[in-house]
Amino acid sequence: QVQLVQSGVEVKKPGASVRISCKASGYNFISYGVTWVRQAPGQGLEWMGGISPYNGNTNYAQKIQDRVTLTTDTSTNTAYMELRSLRPDDTAMYYCARRNSAYDNGYYNYMDVWGKGTTVTVSS
Amino acid sequence: DIQMTQSPSSLSASVGDRVTITCRADQSISTHLNWYQQKPGKAPNLLIYGASSLQSGVPSRFSGTGSGTDFTLTISSLQPEDVATYYCQQSYSVITFGQGTRLEIK
Repeated sequence: QVQLVQSGVEVKKPGASVRISCKASGYNFISYGVTWVRQAPGQGLEWMGGISPYNGNTNYAQKIQDRVTLTTDTSTNTAYMELRSLRPDDTAMYYCARRNSAYDNGYYNYMDVWGKGTTVTVSS
Repeated sequence: DIQMTQSPSSLSASVGDRVTITCRADQSISTHLNWYQQKPGKAPNLLIYGASSLQSGVPSRFSGTGSGTDFTLTISSLQPEDVATYYCQQSYSVITFGQGTRLEIK
């Protein structure tokens, strides 16, 4: 079945980096974008950025664009999110999601398959 | 960035009730509006895309309407398993989410 499997819990100190993986299966990885979303404890959803595995094109949220890098490895159908210079307020659940599109007089994008999430805790 | 505002922030309703959640964009987004359901401790789940298209496998009691700046998610007959937080999300430009609406059973 179509699924995204994310890597496990991460505990980091302030100033460190974290790299989360998201392995896709059950569909043609190159044909769909991958979006990353995070959720701080008790808070709402925050879009971080997206990447197209087809051509590597990326876009990032302005708030974190100088600290985040999204990549993909099409040989293993895996997407990666690296966040650098971690701060305590980066503590959150991090989700990857498949970006799908529907055409109806224009393209409509949505996230139809989600990973279970990766908990990242940043604490000294 | 486009700001999305949901109302109410929380609501309590009885099983069988008709429930409506509203989402407003601060500029027109046509129908580039999606709705997600997030149950406690789980990842979000897509309910509606393109403002009104029901995602495959989602019960037909969920429906979405709206265009431009004003959108609604309706649950026609609330079920116990619908307890969750609901988020709207616009895909017209840089993705943004509403702040969420927490739905409880009375």
